[in-house]
Amino acid sequence: QVQLKESGPGLVAPSQSLSITCTISGFSLTSYGVHWVRQPPGKGLEWLVVIWSDGSTTYNSALKSRLSISKDNSKSQVFLKMNSLQTDDTAMYYCARHGLHDRYFDVWGAGTTVTVSS
Amino acid sequence: ENVLTQSPAIMSASPGEKVTMTCRASSSVSSSYLHWYQQKSGASPKLWIYSTSNLASGVPARFSGSGSGTSYSLTISSVEAEDAATYYCQQYSGYPLTFGSGTKLEIK
Repeated sequence: QVQLKESGPGLVAPSQSLSITCTISGFSLTSYGVHWVRQPPGKGLEWLVVIWSDGSTTYNSALKSRLSISKDNSKSQVFLKMNSLQTDDTAMYYCARHGLHDRYFDVWGAGTTVTVSS
Repeated sequence: ENVLTQSPAIMSASPGEKVTMTCRASSSVSSSYLHWYQQKSGASPKLWIYSTSNLASGVPARFSGSGSGTSYSLTISSVEAEDAATYYCQQYSGYPLTFGSGTKLEIK
């Protein structure tokens, strides 16, 4: 059964950094890419970044200077780090699997809530 | 950036009604790379329709999608209570990947 599960700190102080983890099961990171997408409360979806099966990455240029993505294939984990958080970074952060043969997000995690507040 | 504009933002329908929502792109999108996701309240999005008109696994046949270029639509032939959700279109023709702002479907 394909699953993705996000985990994170929940609360982050303004100007601090965020580290969240996506732990996958039922498939291999050596075969699939994984994306990060976020959704502020009551708002729409924003794509952040993808890490491909070969470890290469593609970032949303609007956030590239603040984002870093990496993975550990052996642990089936993908890591997202974001620097200099502000209140408008408060959102649900989702990881999602890239479709094997086509360009869509075929399976999503349940998300992890990140609140930026002092 | 390819901006996707969805309309209406909110719609209300009675069970059995036919509904159509639209997604317009600021730049042309290949029909192979225009997708729809369903998100119910408190849940994560689910792939619903991919490549304009292909239903994802488990999606009822009352859903359909169509379009080309800069104009796409999602139609429900006969709305049911379980269809209450927000529907997002998404393009994968170019980076950054973008989503529409969503159409919230309410059932009367």
